[in-house]
Amino acid sequence: RKEVEQDPGPFNVPEGATVAFNCTYSNSASQSFFWYRQDCRKEPKLLMSVYSSGNEDGRFTAQLNRASQYISLLIRDSKLSDSATYLCVVMNYNQGGKLIFGQGTELSVKP
Amino acid sequence: DVKVTQSSRYLVKRTGEKVFLECVQDMDHENMFWYRQDPGLGLRLIYFSYDVKMKEKGDIPEGYSVSREKKERFSLILESASTNQTSMYLCASSPEDRRGLKQFFGPGTRLTVL
Repeated sequence: RKEVEQDPGPFNVPEGATVAFNCTYSNSASQSFFWYRQDCRKEPKLLMSVYSSGNEDGRFTAQLNRASQYISLLIRDSKLSDSATYLCVVMNYNQGGKLIFGQGTELSVKP
Repeated sequence: DVKVTQSSRYLVKRTGEKVFLECVQDMDHENMFWYRQDPGLGLRLIYFSYDVKMKEKGDIPEGYSVSREKKERFSLILESASTNQTSMYLCASSPEDRRGLKQFFGPGTRLTVL
């Protein structure tokens, strides 16, 4: 079983739609959680950290459920420029602070 | 802005060749990482380094070695390239006080081994 699992998609949605990505992680000792964004043929870039209380950054909302070991990312009013692959990432300080990446969920926003 | 550069965007090598992938960061970061990215598998950590001349194995170190002689430079070495090492290779760096947190990635090197 992969340590971080995501639905690979692709998710094809119209502009303006709300889309949600889910991610589960297997190591209950994981301590930090992130969403990275990767555009086609580009490097990953940090989109947002995920906090226990949930957090929002504009149209993006991230949630964490430690009991279920589940992370989510919600994108509201999606734009064409949101088309990318979204990577769920977890970290456990006891593993030397290594980041563990999910395989990513591809999003395609159509006009 | 942090800048992480990699020596080549695209590289084609033959089986058995020795391959060097170079990574340089300009923000005086202590931590540097090498990943490979393959479809359906995501990013997997090959090696990382928290200091000059220091290296630690990641999750898939077999067939690879690394060198960190200077703080800003972290090299990945394929001693004898094989076709299953065809992949996208990504280098990343992060500051010491936030070891695993925000990592800054280079643009990647797409390596093809024939």
